[in-house]
Amino acid sequence: RKEVEQDPGPFNVPEGATVAFNCTYSNSASQSFFWYRQDCRKEPKLLMSVYSSGNEDGRFTAQLNRASQYISLLIRDSKLSDSATYLCVVDVTNAGKSTFGDGTTLTVKP
Amino acid sequence: EAGVTQSPTHLIKTRGQQATLRCSPISGHTSVYWYQQALGLGLQFLLWYDEGEERNRGNFPPRFSGRQFPNYSSELNVNALELEDSALYLCASSRGTPGNTIYFGEGSWLTVV
Repeated sequence: RKEVEQDPGPFNVPEGATVAFNCTYSNSASQSFFWYRQDCRKEPKLLMSVYSSGNEDGRFTAQLNRASQYISLLIRDSKLSDSATYLCVVDVTNAGKSTFGDGTTLTVKP
Repeated sequence: EAGVTQSPTHLIKTRGQQATLRCSPISGHTSVYWYQQALGLGLQFLLWYDEGEERNRGNFPPRFSGRQFPNYSSELNVNALELEDSALYLCASSRGTPGNTIYFGEGSWLTVV
């Protein structure tokens, strides 16, 4: 079983749609959680951190469920520019090993 | 402020040769991480350096090695190159220990022929 698992998709949605991605992790000692975005053949870039209480940044909402060991990312009012691969990242403090999920690919169509 | 910089951008080597990739972290960052991303696949953790020492290592053979210099820059060496080593090698840096956000460089594309 992978340490971090994501639905690979692809998710194909029309502009304006709401889409949600889930990510599960296996290490209960995980302390920090992030969502990164990666465009084709580019480096991953931080989208947002995920806090225990949940957090929102514009059209993006991230949530953490420690009991069930999953995090989620909700994108509202999808834009064409949201098309990318979204990577779930989990850190075990002091392990120096940010573990990345394999990513979920989103394509937003006109 | 300059981001994480990597060189070379592209590198072509033949099987059996050695490749050296270089990384300069963001100013003030002491931790450097290396990841491998084969085409179409996810990021695989290679190495973590902090304060000049190797702190953790991913599930890669010993021919993958590296070091961190006193100025916190780092290099990744891959010996006895194999075709399957062809990938994007990403370097990232952060302040101190993980839990802090890691920032990636644009990567080095290594092609082994």
